[in-house]
Amino acid sequence: EAAVTQSPRNKVTVTGGNVTLSCRQTNSHNYMYWYRQDTGHGLRLIHYSYGAGNLQIGDVPDGYKATRTTQEDFFLLLELASPSQTSLYFCASSDAWNYAEQFFGPGTRLTVL
Amino acid sequence: GDKVKQSPSALSLQEGTNSALRCNFSIAATTVQWFLQNPRGSLINLFYLVPGTKENGRLKSAFDSKESYSTLHIRDAQLEDSGTYFCAAEAPGTGSNRLTFGKGTKFSLIP
Repeated sequence: EAAVTQSPRNKVTVTGGNVTLSCRQTNSHNYMYWYRQDTGHGLRLIHYSYGAGNLQIGDVPDGYKATRTTQEDFFLLLELASPSQTSLYFCASSDAWNYAEQFFGPGTRLTVL
Repeated sequence: GDKVKQSPSALSLQEGTNSALRCNFSIAATTVQWFLQNPRGSLINLFYLVPGTKENGRLKSAFDSKESYSTLHIRDAQLEDSGTYFCAAEAPGTGSNRLTFGKGTKFSLIP
């Protein structure tokens, strides 16, 4: 089973602030994903990557950048945070591009004041 | 409209009873995952399904790709089953194992 960790687990910032959320997976998966979860919605895909240096746009990418530095590490960047980005953020990984189970990290709760 | 519709949106039952949750898909789902989000917010993998059925303890899930639905049955519900259940579908052409999530079923147990 994939081990996916996220840091920080909780973060509070102010409008206009700069935030980086970190994700690491230790099961040698190729694919990694960033989702956000808001009340009344399921999880929505922000960005994903199929390997170091690769980045693909998800369904709700506006206001977010991401970078995949290694196979293990995937970062989500909010360069000018806004209150609308207050959310619970999940990272996930899978080992193939289709027909592969995704495994999720514990989540990061971000509050933008 | 929603590509993945979960029903019911909420369910409140007594301990020891049985229940059924459902997801209907308006996309051509090829695989389905079911998760439990516990009260701490963590997502727990319950099932990963290609068309067919799987069973794990008191939980049983089925996925029918031709009729575009999946079900999750909980037998003899216990307090630890409380939380929000999500289904998520993978569909061809979406690229790279992308999942589309339903909005969840909030499941509460009455002691």
